[in-house]
Amino acid sequence: QKEVEQDPGPLSVPEGAIVSLNCTYSNSAFQYFMWYRQYSRKGPELLMYTYSSGNKEDGRFTAQVDKSSKYISLFIRDSQPSDSATYLCAMIGGANSKLTFGKGITLSVRP
Amino acid sequence: NAGVTQTPKFRILKIGQSMTLQCTQDMNHNYMYWYRQDPGMGLKLIYYSVGAGITDKGEVPNGYNVSRSTTEDFPLRLELAAPSQTSVYFCASSYLGENQPQHFGDGTRLSIL
Repeated sequence: QKEVEQDPGPLSVPEGAIVSLNCTYSNSAFQYFMWYRQYSRKGPELLMYTYSSGNKEDGRFTAQVDKSSKYISLFIRDSQPSDSATYLCAMIGGANSKLTFGKGITLSVRP
Repeated sequence: NAGVTQTPKFRILKIGQSMTLQCTQDMNHNYMYWYRQDPGMGLKLIYYSVGAGITDKGEVPNGYNVSRSTTEDFPLRLELAAPSQTSVYFCASSYLGENQPQHFGDGTRLSIL
C-alpha cells in the first residue's frame, strides 16, 4: 500500500459547485498535513496547512483531517474557473520524515 | 518578493551531456530541496540540504549531485544526461524544519534526447 493515495481524477465541475478532494494515508506517524495548488507550468503553492484533526477554514477553502481514519479532505465552496488547477496533498511526521506527496488531481471548473 | 528562483525555465540536452540547474532563494530559509515531477507520479525528492555545507540524498538521487556553499543557492548537477531524466524539476525551500511548509520555484522543464 502506498503511503499516500489520492483520487486520480481528472475532475470537472460546473462553476459554483462544491468540490471535495480526498487523500488517504497509511503512516500513522504523519502529523502535519498540507494542500498545494499547482497551476499549469507553475510550481506548487501552499493552500492549506493543518496539524490536528478537525477542520480549518480559509475563505472558500476548508481542510479536514481525520487522523483516526487516516483521511484528509479539501473542500472548495462556490468553485470558480480560477480554481482550475492540480491539487496535491502532502504530509509529514515521524523521525527523519520527509514531505510525502499524493500524485495530484486535476480540477477543471467549467464557466 | 522573488521567493525561489529557478533557471533555466526550459532546456533540451543530448544524451551524455551535463548541465547545472540553478536555484536561489531570498527568504533566508535553512532547508532547501530538489524534486522531480513526472506526469501522474507526484513529486519525488532527489536531494535536500538543511544548511550551507550539508546535503543528503532523497528518494531518487541516482544520476544527480548537489552542493550548498551558501544559504541562498542550491544547484543541481546532472553529469551524464539520460532519457530517464526527462522531467520537470522543482526547487523548494522552508524555514527551520522539515515539517514547515515548503515554498516552490516555477520549475525547469528538461528534455533529454
